[in-house]
Amino acid sequence: DTAVSQTPKYLVTQMGNDKSIKCEQNLGHDTMYWYKQDSKKFLKIMFSYNNKELIINETVPNRFSPKSPDKAHLNLHINSLELGDSAVYFCASSQAGLAYEQYFGPGTRLTVT
Amino acid sequence: GENVEQHPSTLSVQEGDSAVIKCTYSDSASNYFPWYKQELGKRPQLIIDIRSNVGEKKDQRIAVTLNKTAKHFSLHITETQPEDSAVYFCAASKFAGGGNKLTFGTGTQLKVEL
Repeated sequence: DTAVSQTPKYLVTQMGNDKSIKCEQNLGHDTMYWYKQDSKKFLKIMFSYNNKELIINETVPNRFSPKSPDKAHLNLHINSLELGDSAVYFCASSQAGLAYEQYFGPGTRLTVT
Repeated sequence: GENVEQHPSTLSVQEGDSAVIKCTYSDSASNYFPWYKQELGKRPQLIIDIRSNVGEKKDQRIAVTLNKTAKHFSLHITETQPEDSAVYFCAASKFAGGGNKLTFGTGTQLKVEL
């Protein structure tokens, strides 16, 4: 009965590689998000999709490309990984509209060596 | 864009004492203010939230106050327990085309000592 799930939980890779993180929610929400939490615990929004449409696109290098095949899934593909991409990436979902709780996934810890 | 400042960065209290975490925001258009608790190695989880048309909200030992004029809001935890130890994040949000664009504060590491 997992609400928001992410795979993989851990990802260790070398600089220059390309990797993807997958997210799925079974809450019936229309809106999904990607957040990055750095080593200092700072949480920052990267992208948001509403019903498969990109609605928030923060200042993120274009090596990061989100993709939403349907409103229950939001994937994140990262090209040419750099050391600074090492972080925990959280997916979240919510109902559309103001003041609805965002439910976070368990996170994916990405380590770039 | 929105900027949220949070203080203190660390807070240590004795079990049973109260803890207060304060945040300020810059964008007067922000109208939703959630607070998230993140335990070590876990996901952030909502503990309480407040909308801009409300000045105070309480849920058992947790309360949040909002001063829209001064653009600051605070989290109050009474009768703290060891299980309250975690990182707490405030956030400010405004509606953005179907979703909430949350801008988080930098977090407060709360430690409740026995």
